[in-house]
Amino acid sequence: RKEVEQDPGPFNVPEGATVAFNCTYSNSASQSFFWYRQDCRKEPKLLMSVYSSGNEDGRFTAQLNRASQYISLLIRDSKLSDSATYLCVVQFSGGYNKLIFGAGTRLAVHP
Amino acid sequence: SAVISQKPSRDICQRGTSLTIQCQVDSQVTMMFWYRQQPGQSLTLIATANQGSEATYESGFVIDKFPISRPNLTFSTLTVSNMSPEDSSIYLCSVAFLQGQGDEQYFGPGTRLTVT
Repeated sequence: RKEVEQDPGPFNVPEGATVAFNCTYSNSASQSFFWYRQDCRKEPKLLMSVYSSGNEDGRFTAQLNRASQYISLLIRDSKLSDSATYLCVVQFSGGYNKLIFGAGTRLAVHP
Repeated sequence: SAVISQKPSRDICQRGTSLTIQCQVDSQVTMMFWYRQQPGQSLTLIATANQGSEATYESGFVIDKFPISRPNLTFSTLTVSNMSPEDSSIYLCSVAFLQGQGDEQYFGPGTRLTVT
């Protein structure tokens, strides 16, 4: 079983749609969680840290369910500029800031 | 966050040669990391480079193949030695900052390496 699993997509949605990405992780000792965005041929950029209580940043909402070892990212009112690959990232406790990256979920927003 | 630059941005190299990639950060950071992203795949950590100590390599990566230097708190190099076509990949450095509940990492723009 992969340490961090994501639906690879692609998710093809129209502008204005709401889309949700899911991610599961295998190590229950994981302590920190992040969503990164990666555009084609670019480096990953931090989108959001995911906090235990869930957090929201504009159109983006991240949620964490430690009991189910599950993280989600919700994007409301999708824009063309949201088209990218979204990487679920987990940091394990007791390590040296090591991050484990999921394979990513591709999103394509069309007019 | 930080401004991170890498050199070169891309290179095409012959098998058997070596390439050294530089990573420069605009602020002092304790922890720097080197990743590889092979075509169509996600990122894999090669090693963690802390200033003043030996780099810590992940399973499957060895110092002879990927020697790393970390001479100060703003700079690191990764060398890809005795290259083969399987080393064709994007190599990225990153730095970590403690924020809130976790260590957020920020990435350089990457070095796109093609080995022929």
